Amino acid sequence: GAVVSQHPSRVICKSGTSVKIECRSLDFQATTMFWYRQFPKQSLMLMATSNEGSKATYEQGVEKDKFLINHASLTLSTLTVTSAHPEDSSFYICSARVGQGNAPQHFGDGTRLSIL
Amino acid sequence: EDQVTQSPEALRLQEGESSSLNCSYTVSGLRGLFWYRQDPGKGPEFLFTLYSAGEEKEKERLKATLTKKESFLHITAPKPEDSATYLCAVQASGGSNYKLTFGKGTLLTVNP
Repeated sequence: GAVVSQHPSRVICKSGTSVKIECRSLDFQATTMFWYRQFPKQSLMLMATSNEGSKATYEQGVEKDKFLINHASLTLSTLTVTSAHPEDSSFYICSARVGQGNAPQHFGDGTRLSIL
Repeated sequence: EDQVTQSPEALRLQEGESSSLNCSYTVSGLRGLFWYRQDPGKGPEFLFTLYSAGEEKEKERLKATLTKKESFLHITAPKPEDSATYLCAVQASGGSNYKLTFGKGTLLTVNP
């Protein structure tokens, strides 16, 4: 149980392209999902908290117009990196919390984004 | 600001050689401390949640413990398949965000 699926697993595209990443909770409903970014040998950095049916909450320093988040259903959140540039190249990972309160977050397998 | 520091950054063990990983944390109030395992190119896999000082959790060769300032992940008689990066994260009390603050992880390599 508690499976989170992320798609695609890898994207390589040209600078200026917009890229959409999907995060799905397969066997549970998630009112809250989280989007992280991870650079090599660095910790996961929270970018934003995605709430079903409402606007996402972005962490300080994360451009909300650059990283568009949509959480239209209880099983799907999407992250769109708009007009991506080489500095946006990173490993993007989503997670979803099972249940409420301090229940653990379960993670997808990440998306490796490479902007040429 | 919540902070998590993990040590060592990397640890190399022989199969069967037990050891411990450390996670030191600073948080205004601890709601929970989480341990995850991450394999290369994959997302973190949940291992344990600890909520209060003195609590212990076990799973196969792993045991996690918690004090008011740090947590240890003890690995008993490790096998090569235990090789991975182990991540520690804290969740602060207060607010409704429930976000996690992660450490940089400890890269564990177990040689056969």
